[in-house]
Amino acid sequence: GENVEQHPSTLSVQEGDSAVIKCTYSDSASNYFPWYKQELGKRPQLIIDIRSNVGEKKDQRIAVTLNKTAKHFSLHITETQPEDSAVYFCAAVGGSARQLTFGSGTQLTVLP
Amino acid sequence: EAQVTQNPRYLITVTGKKLTVTCSQNMNHEYMSWYRQDPGLGLRQIYYSMNVEVTDKGDVPEGYKVSRKEKRNFPLILESPSPNQTSLYFCASSLTQAHNEQFFGPGTRLTVL
Repeated sequence: GENVEQHPSTLSVQEGDSAVIKCTYSDSASNYFPWYKQELGKRPQLIIDIRSNVGEKKDQRIAVTLNKTAKHFSLHITETQPEDSAVYFCAAVGGSARQLTFGSGTQLTVLP
Repeated sequence: EAQVTQNPRYLITVTGKKLTVTCSQNMNHEYMSWYRQDPGLGLRQIYYSMNVEVTDKGDVPEGYKVSRKEKRNFPLILESPSPNQTSLYFCASSLTQAHNEQFFGPGTRLTVL
């Protein structure tokens, strides 16, 4: 089955700096890559996603890039703010569209 | 209000005592799934359902059962809970298949003594 690896497990940045979280996947048939944000004590919520026919997608301060050849995708957050502090999960969906496999998560801390 | 609900939110039980965690969604979603969240391991899929009466194993199905008799409900059953099933459980639903945004329930914190 699919295997998703996520790095780093923890990341601290100064407010206003950029943060980058990277994920790799194993199944070359995977074609949907969402990112979820989980604030402390809350449920995960989708923040951005990308499909395999697109190389990059942006939504205000958040962007995701996908390299299908290398089988990795990344989340970029610019101009970080304290409210960006949370756990971020990447995920991948295989070609059958039946299963969602998550990475192990990144604890992002934005220091004021 | 469109939502996914889970009950109970917190549960402390003992080894071997059967329990059920309920999950319900009011969005007419076809796809529903259960995850467990453990520190350092992220979210791991237990079971998923593509539609009524269609269920399949995820990555960590051992010790769990599910059923999907109605579109809105997807209960998680632990026939004989063990301490290694102590975890935070999330139910989620999406419109169709896993290719769509997953809407998560509030979570159920389970402790098995």
